[in-house]
Amino acid sequence: GQNIDQPTEMTATEGAIVQINCTYQTSGFNGLFWYQQHAGEAPTFLSYNVLDGLEEKGRFSSFLSRSKGYSYLLLKELQMKDSASYLCAVRDNQAGTALIFGKGTTLSVSS
Amino acid sequence: EAQVTQNPRYLITVTGKKLTVTCSQNMNHEYMSWYRQDPGLGLRQIYYSMNVEVTDKGDVPEGYKVSRKEKRNFPLILESPSPNQTSLYFCASSLSIGGGDTQYFGPGTRLTVL
Repeated sequence: GQNIDQPTEMTATEGAIVQINCTYQTSGFNGLFWYQQHAGEAPTFLSYNVLDGLEEKGRFSSFLSRSKGYSYLLLKELQMKDSASYLCAVRDNQAGTALIFGKGTTLSVSS
Repeated sequence: EAQVTQNPRYLITVTGKKLTVTCSQNMNHEYMSWYRQDPGLGLRQIYYSMNVEVTDKGDVPEGYKVSRKEKRNFPLILESPSPNQTSLYFCASSLSIGGGDTQYFGPGTRLTVL
């Protein structure tokens, strides 16, 4: 079966760095996505990892370790607008569908 | 502009009154999907479609129907809505289900069933 775990909530301060972890168990792993979702809005794509290592994109970076079934999203220089939910989603070859989503981590950034 | 559109954006209805939520994409994507999102439960897939005339059940298909007669459209049909179908619904599409092809989401439809 498939299982994706993320913390439910996190809080941080403007200007700080926060790391959101995601662990997964899937039968046929074929990539991991991170999405950002502001309250009441559609999820938007942040990053994609299929090989081990770190992918950096501006203030956001995403890391993957396939052997550990583990990923994290790193947000630097936090801004108030980063307050949102962050969804970890896994592509599983054997699932027959595009993506399997975790329940999301709600990040609150305070000044 | 490349996008996924959904209509209506907001809908309040009553139990048992059939409704359809439309979804359309202009990116020539093969794959389309419907999700519902409820507090504490995350995104749960209702139905998905790999291509025209090919649809499959997701995790929570009960009470819903879909059709894929054209590549661009993937309507969600609630034949007899019930209050437990009150939710935020998202349609999504992607070029394929392989590689780094990301899903693009519509703006969402907030449905309330009284």
